[in-house]
Amino acid sequence: DAKTTQPPSMDCAEGRAANLPCNHSTISGNEYVYWYRQIHSQGPQYIIHGLKNNETNEMASLIITEDRKSSTLILPHATLRDTAVYYCIVRVRPNFGNEKLTFGTGTRLTIIP
Amino acid sequence: GAGVSQSPRYKVAKRGQDVALRCDPISGHVSLFWYQQALGQGPEFLTYFQNEAQLDKSGLPSDRFFAERPEGSVSTLKIQRTQQEDSAVYLCASSFGRRTGGITGANVLTFGAGSRLTVL
Repeated sequence: DAKTTQPPSMDCAEGRAANLPCNHSTISGNEYVYWYRQIHSQGPQYIIHGLKNNETNEMASLIITEDRKSSTLILPHATLRDTAVYYCIVRVRPNFGNEKLTFGTGTRLTIIP
Repeated sequence: GAGVSQSPRYKVAKRGQDVALRCDPISGHVSLFWYQQALGQGPEFLTYFQNEAQLDKSGLPSDRFFAERPEGSVSTLKIQRTQQEDSAVYLCASSFGRRTGGITGANVLTFGAGSRLTVL
């Protein structure tokens, strides 16, 4: 699985959009970009994933550059509950079965009141 | 159940004791995973089950670690002769694990809250 690089920490004002970058310059054509987050004392929580098109769901938007070497997770209106560690993970997505994920150290996002 | 349930949430053991950590996955989920998370680090893969079969145990750090899922549902992670370096949060996750016909997100991992093990 391709290696990812994320800033160790970021701050964002409450109510503003939080933009979390991820570099994955060695990504292969069949590898997806996944985002999970981990709120203190909880297990990781799936947010969103994508291959090459931008994706949006009720939690966030994922913007992947045309060359797929980087992506940005956008939380459009950050709240205090969005304070968490955010993990960007790149991996091949199988049709079923072993969804093994390799986590890095992620970005610690702090939402400031 | 509605989510992945793990017990106990907290466990304190003396060095050398054996411990057992339990995971109740989401009902009907075929795939089950165990991860270990040291303080300040991301989760690290330990082992993977598909139903009752343990298909990948490449992440187990030593032969003191053993996992089972005998009926393809509940799983237990056992650590024998615990050492201080075993202190960590142990996370369990499950996923649907079947062909989904492209249903978005159907095979993502759902994690439990974890079991925090402290070895004194």
